[in-house]
Amino acid sequence: NAGVTQTPKFRVLKTGQSMTLLCAQDMNHEYMYWYRQDPGMGLRLIHYSVGEGTTAKGEVPDGYNVSRLKKQNFLLGLESAAPSQTSVYFCASTIRGQPQHFGDGTRLSIL
Amino acid sequence: AQSVTQPDIHITVSEGASLELRCNYSYGATPYLFWYVQSPGQGLQLLLKYFSGDTLVQGIKGFEAEFKRSQSSFNLRKPSVHWSDAAEYFCAVGASGGYNKLIFGAGTRLAVHP
Repeated sequence: NAGVTQTPKFRVLKTGQSMTLLCAQDMNHEYMYWYRQDPGMGLRLIHYSVGEGTTAKGEVPDGYNVSRLKKQNFLLGLESAAPSQTSVYFCASTIRGQPQHFGDGTRLSIL
Repeated sequence: AQSVTQPDIHITVSEGASLELRCNYSYGATPYLFWYVQSPGQGLQLLLKYFSGDTLVQGIKGFEAEFKRSQSSFNLRKPSVHWSDAAEYFCAVGASGGYNKLIFGAGTRLAVHP
């Protein structure tokens, strides 16, 4: 049972490039989330999904898009990467009324 | 607006000493409260949670936390710290309804001296 798996673990991009981060969970969870973690700011919610085919904006959604085509996967896309998006990205999943389970993170640097 | 404040950015304690990490929240409804721990390069691990009932909750690794509604606080405690407890600790508040969205504090980084 892998839990929440994030791919890739590290990535370096140039400004303007695009990429997709993948989050996969094998716990049959309904809810999935993408956060970014920056020094001194804790984790901030980017987007979330409450079921297959649904997505919603979180606290800091600008510059990101998401998709949940399959229940087990939640993709985070950067269409045109900017240096301000250098961060550590965490995915989490859960079911209603339970704590979130987190992946190990993706460290993204944008030059 | 919902918010979580962790007043201490860094705390250093000696191994074997007691520990208290502070957390204050602002939330209009009945909150769900959580403490997570993050070791370097790792994801977040749940230490404990408060949903309802007994205001003193026990967690893993010997940690406990007390919910005080009158003070809007959920402080984390451990009677005797081990060197392996060195990590960053995050307090979070979530809605008692809705979609389990969380608001996190900025974190407290704990260093443990031998």
